[in-house]
Amino acid sequence: TQLLEQSPQFLSIQEGENLTVYCNSSSVFSSLQWYRQEPGEGPVLLVTVVTGGEVKKLKRLTFQFGDARKDSSLHITAAQPGDTGLYLCAGGDDYKLSFGAGTTVTVRA
Amino acid sequence: DAGITQSPRHKVTETGTPVTLRCHQTENHRYMYWYRQDPGHGLRLIHYSYGVKDTDKGEVSDGYSVSRSKTEDFLLTLESATSSQTSVYFCAISESRGGFNQPQHFGDGTRLSIL
Repeated sequence: TQLLEQSPQFLSIQEGENLTVYCNSSSVFSSLQWYRQEPGEGPVLLVTVVTGGEVKKLKRLTFQFGDARKDSSLHITAAQPGDTGLYLCAGGDDYKLSFGAGTTVTVRA
Repeated sequence: DAGITQSPRHKVTETGTPVTLRCHQTENHRYMYWYRQDPGHGLRLIHYSYGVKDTDKGEVSDGYSVSRSKTEDFLLTLESATSSQTSVYFCAISESRGGFNQPQHFGDGTRLSIL
C-alpha cells in the first residue's frame, strides 16, 4: 500500500492546456516535496512546501500544500512539451521521506 | 547539478552472484541514501547513511547490505542477487537529516537486470 497516492497515474495533453496532479495521504507530513524525473535520469527537486495552506509558484507551476498537511497539488498552466516527465511527490517527517508512485505527464506539440 | 556519480550505469548478471553498486559524491554531504524504483511503487528506501560507518535500514532492506568507509562513497551490495532485485537503483544525498525534510539530490541511477 502506497503511503502517498498520486492521481492520475498518466496524463496526456496538448501543448497550451492546463493540468493538475494530485498527491493524497492519510498521514500528516512535516513537508511535501515535488520532483520531476526524465527518462534515464534521477529525480530533480522542484519545490518544498512546509506550511499547511502554503502556495508556491515557480513560473507556470503552482504548488499547494493542504491545510491539514496531508495532501498537495501541482498545477501547470499552458503546458509545454518541455514539461513532459514523471512527477513525484514525497512526504517528509522525522523518520523518512515517502514517495508516491508518480504521475507520467506527456505534453504533445 | 550535485556531484553524484553512480557506477556502473547498467549491469546484467545472473541469479546467485554478488553485485556491488557504487555511489560517489563530491559535495561532502553527510547523508547518503540508496533507493530502488519499480513501476507502480515509486522510490523505496533500501538503506541510508548518516556518517562514515553509520548506516541504518530502510523499508526494503532485506537482501541488501551497505558500507560507508569514506564520506564520499556509499556502496550497496547484493550478496546473492535474485530476480526480484531487478530494478533501477538510485543514490541520493542531502546536507542534513532535518527530519527527512531536506531536499535530496539524486544520481542518474543504475539499471540492474538479474537473469
